[in-house]
Amino acid sequence: EDKVVQSPLSLVVHEGDTVTLNCSYEVTNFRSLLWYKQEKKAPTFLFMLTSSGIEKKSGRLSSILDKKELFSILNITATQTGDSAVYLCAPFDFGNEKLTFGTGTRLTIIP
Amino acid sequence: NAGVTQTPKFRVLKTGQSMTLLCAQDMNHEYMYWYRQDPGMGLRLIHYSVGEGTTAKGEVPDGYNVSRLKKQNFLLGLESAAPSQTSVYFCASSYLQGAEAFFGQGTRLTVV
Repeated sequence: EDKVVQSPLSLVVHEGDTVTLNCSYEVTNFRSLLWYKQEKKAPTFLFMLTSSGIEKKSGRLSSILDKKELFSILNITATQTGDSAVYLCAPFDFGNEKLTFGTGTRLTIIP
Repeated sequence: NAGVTQTPKFRVLKTGQSMTLLCAQDMNHEYMYWYRQDPGMGLRLIHYSVGEGTTAKGEVPDGYNVSRLKKQNFLLGLESAAPSQTSVYFCASSYLQGAEAFFGQGTRLTVV
């Protein structure tokens, strides 16, 4: 059975801080890992990672995948109140054709 | 550009009633999915479709049925609602499996 563990479960930081969110996974037939941001409603896509060691970057957000150690991290620098959300990671297993979502990290940014 | 649209947005059902949730996408995506999201459980896949006329079971399919008669629409049915089906339901679509999935705004369903 595919497993995903995200840590920490929740995080409260001050505006301007840098945060690192963790995602470890066990997937039989790994193809990709996706990161999503969920505010009050629908998850919105952040990154898709398929190759180890290659950083994906978008503004203040960046993510990297380690396929050997089976984890990914999401970094947010110079955090803003708009970054407050639940961040979800989801590896894709092409054997059972399924994205398995973690329970997420709830990030709260204090002004 | 509407993306993925779900109807209704909210619904309250009595135990034993039936209903259908509609998902429509305008991106010409082959793959469509229905998830439920419960506190502490993350998003769990109910059913999915890899193309028009196809459906497949996901992680938690019991109590639900689906149909994909048209490529742009994916329907989720509850034949006899139970309180355990109280949840937020999300539909999503993607152009490839394992690639970026676009989500609808969700349907909050309460079964009393």
